[in-house]
Amino acid sequence: AQSVTQPDIHITVSEGASLELRCNYSYGATPYLFWYVQSPGQGLQLLLKYFSGDTLVQGIKGFEAEFKRSQSSFNLRKPSVHWSDAAEYFCAVGALTGGGNKLTFGTGTQLKVEL
Amino acid sequence: DTEVTQTPKHLVMGMTNKKSLKCEQHMGHRAMYWYKQKAKKPPELMFVYSYEKLSINESVPSRFSPECPNSSLLNLHLHALQPEDSALYLCASSQDTSARETQYFGPGTRLLVL
Repeated sequence: AQSVTQPDIHITVSEGASLELRCNYSYGATPYLFWYVQSPGQGLQLLLKYFSGDTLVQGIKGFEAEFKRSQSSFNLRKPSVHWSDAAEYFCAVGALTGGGNKLTFGTGTQLKVEL
Repeated sequence: DTEVTQTPKHLVMGMTNKKSLKCEQHMGHRAMYWYKQKAKKPPELMFVYSYEKLSINESVPSRFSPECPNSSLLNLHLHALQPEDSALYLCASSQDTSARETQYFGPGTRLLVL
């Protein structure tokens, strides 16, 4: 069965600083990997996804992520954080189980941005 | 347009009430999902519909009853809920049930069971 680990429950960065959120996955086949962001009381918005090809993936809002098969990682990065980036970030792996597509989420990383 | 809409935004119900949550998408997606999200936790899959047929039920109690009347609509009927069912209920849709397809999420319905 697939699983996702986000080791950092909370991260605080200063506005303008760089950001890296860690994600490690466990899945036997080629993983389909996603990063979603959730603002308080809101639904989830897709930042980016990876399923093949170039291992450096560009997303919305200036985010990027790098897929490293050897490390089973899919870390999210942003060179300069804005105060509006404060939110919960979820890494997820998609897998086809009996009956359909199942997204397995990590436990999330809460990002706080200091002004 | 990648919008999934959900109504109502908030819902308060007693344990003896019957209520329904509604989800709608007009992206031509043929897979739709219900998730439950407790505070400070990731979403947990409840149900998956593929081409209007229930394809996954993650052992959800029968007090939750999903319905997919057509390819654009997904309902979740609630009856005799417990206080521990209070949560954010998220609907999502995707082109189909391929694992590489992006799931697009609605804003959710925040449910409080008294």
